[in-house]
Amino acid sequence: AQTVTQSQPEMSVQEAETVTLSCTYDTSESDYYLFWYKQPPSRQMILVIRQEAYKQQNATENRFSVNFQKAAKSFSLKISDSQLGDAAMYFCAYRSLKLVFGKGTKLTVNP
Amino acid sequence: NAGVTQTPKFRILKIGQSMTLQCTQDMNHNYMYWYRQDPGMGLKLIYYSVGAGITDKGEVPNGYNVSRSTTEDFPLRLELAAPSQTSVYFCASSYSQGHEQYFGPGTRLTVT
Repeated sequence: AQTVTQSQPEMSVQEAETVTLSCTYDTSESDYYLFWYKQPPSRQMILVIRQEAYKQQNATENRFSVNFQKAAKSFSLKISDSQLGDAAMYFCAYRSLKLVFGKGTKLTVNP
Repeated sequence: NAGVTQTPKFRILKIGQSMTLQCTQDMNHNYMYWYRQDPGMGLKLIYYSVGAGITDKGEVPNGYNVSRSTTEDFPLRLELAAPSQTSVYFCASSYSQGHEQYFGPGTRLTVT
């Protein structure tokens, strides 16, 4: 069964600084998708970024980028120029047919 | 275009009661999902559907039932509520396996 591990239960960053959230996963499949979701206190799940496993190029969405290391089964999220609105729970997720979530990292942004 | 809607937003049940959590999407997505999120945890898949008339179990299906008679609706049924089912429930939908899942706002359920 696929598993997703987020080893950092909590992280903090100063406003305007850069922070990296870690994620590793375990799978025997070769074709899959990886996601980072953000969950603010409103509970709404918001997609941050998506990566197809067959693409070697790391996905980027504005201030959010990933470091995808397929052989190492690692999928970290880098947030540049952190803003107060980035404070939330961040979940890494793996998907073939079903979506499997990690336990999340709580990100605090300090002014 | 409302996306994914869920009702109710909050509910308190007594042990042994039954209820149905409603989920509707207006994006004509074939894939729909039900997840539960326990405190301090990620989401766990309860049931999913790849189209009308087709449903399958996820990681934690015990104590729940689903049906998918239309593309738009994917209700989740709790037959005999137990305290272990206290959780936040999210419905989601996607166009296909590889596409983004769109989540509803969640239902906070307490069983006492």
